[in-house]
Amino acid sequence: AQSVTQLGSHVSVSEGALVLLRCNYSSSVPPYLFWYVQYPNQGLQLLLKYTSAATLVKGINGFEAEFKKSETSFHLTKPSAHMSDAAEYFCAVSDNTGNQFYFGTGTSLTVIP
Amino acid sequence: GAVVSQHPSRVICKSGTSVKIECRSLDFQATTMFWYRQFPKQSLMLMATSNEGSKATYEQGVEKDKFLINHASLTLSTLTVTSAHPEDSSFYICSAILAGGTWQAFFGQGTRLTVV
Repeated sequence: AQSVTQLGSHVSVSEGALVLLRCNYSSSVPPYLFWYVQYPNQGLQLLLKYTSAATLVKGINGFEAEFKKSETSFHLTKPSAHMSDAAEYFCAVSDNTGNQFYFGTGTSLTVIP
Repeated sequence: GAVVSQHPSRVICKSGTSVKIECRSLDFQATTMFWYRQFPKQSLMLMATSNEGSKATYEQGVEKDKFLINHASLTLSTLTVTSAHPEDSSFYICSAILAGGTWQAFFGQGTRLTVV
């Protein structure tokens, strides 16, 4: 069984500040982990994914995440927030078939000018 | 990249009527599609897994007679909300997996269903 916990349903950062969105997972098998972003009234877009290769994964729009097995974490970071980063972010886990995804509750990111 | 088209994007219906939502993979074949429901300020919840040519597999707690899923072709899956009630109002999203082990799900734009 797999599950994901996202700490902090709302995160606010100033423009130019570090973005850190937290994600912890639980999985009975080696997990595949994903971050998705959802802009208002749009579908989900894949930011990045971890599928057992390099533990530091770089994604689109300057985001990256590091898989830490000892901490069962997959936190999403971006060095400098931009106004266009304001959105809802979802962490997701799947098993090694990559077929079913289980999502966290999402974190709403607000960027303050 | 692969595109999944979901239609309609918004629908308002009267209580007791049925609503059909379509999910199409435009430039690839998807033997498996998934339907999710998103409650306000809650997680995306997997409702069911739809396999082409066979019956959908529903997650625990999802009423299969209420949420009818049909996957008649490799590019189309439909979700029909039957006898809709206001509590069915939600955001429904479909996704499809690109075959070949890319571990990437492509999502539709979602459908905002409002039952009045």
